[in-house]
Amino acid sequence: DIVMTQSPDSLAVSLGERATINCKSSQSVLYSSNSKNYLAWYQQKPGQPPKLLIYWASTRESGVPDRFSGSGSGTDFTLTISSLQAEDVAVYYCQQYYSIPFTFGPGTKVHIK
Amino acid sequence: QVQLVESGGGVVQPGRSLRLSCEASGFTFSSHAMYWVRQAPGKGLEWVALISSDGNNKYYADSVKGRFTISRDNSKNTMYLQMNSLRAEDTTVYYCARAAAASDYSPFDHWGQGTLVTVSS
Repeated sequence: DIVMTQSPDSLAVSLGERATINCKSSQSVLYSSNSKNYLAWYQQKPGQPPKLLIYWASTRESGVPDRFSGSGSGTDFTLTISSLQAEDVAVYYCQQYYSIPFTFGPGTKVHIK
Repeated sequence: QVQLVESGGGVVQPGRSLRLSCEASGFTFSSHAMYWVRQAPGKGLEWVALISSDGNNKYYADSVKGRFTISRDNSKNTMYLQMNSLRAEDTTVYYCARAAAASDYSPFDHWGQGTLVTVSS
């Protein structure tokens, strides 16, 4: 199984400042035949289901604000919120869909400093 | 718009069975793989099972293999999760989710609101 890890566990950021979340997979999720990283980011607010933010490591889902961006390849990935807004308070999860069983990272809780 | 509505959750005794349903609307159900994902209260996300768009391919997490069965009825736009031999550790919220594409290996682009299963004597 591919193990996903995230850092930090929790992150306090001032409004308008940048938030950076790291995700690491225990093996590469880059599929060589199509050069795609099978890595997604989800946002989960309290009492709500997760919401897809980013897929293929860097493609923003329709309707997601452009302050959210994803980067990385292979085993190391980053989710960046360029200017934190109050509505971004949530837990963020990375997930690999490269191989079954699909696995999620443990989550990073983002709150306001 | 895409809607996924889970039902069938509740309180059940250890060792008993329960069947969850996920009714889909707003899209061509038969064109998308579907997933079950669960989340214990205050905990992270755990993928449970996958079923391909035509229902021919099914995959399970080791934690439920041999006890849970995923299925779908494309004529009813509904997916199911038959859960047998339930254990206390199966107590979680169960979400159904849609694959973004026909491929089994797709991100989960739409989620239901979840249904709570509590296994307790």
